[in-house]
Amino acid sequence: EDQVTQSPEALRLQEGESSSLNCSYTVSGLRGLFWYRQDPGKGPEFLFTLYSAGEEKEKERLKATLTKKESFLHITAPKPEDSATYLCAVATGANSKLTFGKGITLSVRP
Amino acid sequence: DTGVSQDPRHKITKRGQNVTFRCDPISEHNRLYWYRQTLGQGPEFLTYFQNEAQLEKSRLLSDRFSAERPKGSFSTLEIQRTEQGDSAMYLCASQRAGGYTEAFFGQGTRLTVV
Repeated sequence: EDQVTQSPEALRLQEGESSSLNCSYTVSGLRGLFWYRQDPGKGPEFLFTLYSAGEEKEKERLKATLTKKESFLHITAPKPEDSATYLCAVATGANSKLTFGKGITLSVRP
Repeated sequence: DTGVSQDPRHKITKRGQNVTFRCDPISEHNRLYWYRQTLGQGPEFLTYFQNEAQLEKSRLLSDRFSAERPKGSFSTLEIQRTEQGDSAMYLCASQRAGGYTEAFFGQGTRLTVV
């Protein structure tokens, strides 16, 4: 059974304090790894897709990387508006359904 | 592209009542998914449609749950004889055909069973 584990569960940062969020996975045949951002009471918002080990994607203060066992979401000089829950998900099998981790709740203090 | 739309946004119902949720996917997307999310958890897969065909259902989807996607457009998710354990956020997502591209989610329907 596919498993996705995210750590830490919660992270509190000072504005400008860079850090990384971890997503480790155990799957049979990774087709894609996805990062989403979710604000309270809202649906997940797509951030990145990574398909193969060594791949990196960047968007503003966020950078996602992928190895054969885990993915990292690096946040550089975060701002309070980056506060949200960050979800990692893997797609396996023919139907592209996603298996999600529990998410990491990020709080950035001004 | 107006995004994925879900209705209603919130629903409070009494235990034992039936409820129905609607999802309107992005127009050119032929793949549609339903997920359920409880507090402190990531979304869990419920069911998948490609066009009008329901191709996969999770073990989580008991006999009280049914989903349809007539004519491959909007989809409905019905829960019969609701139970308190059904309280959750129900999320719909749509995706373009072909490959493993990103799925776009709606804002969800928050169900509270009292």
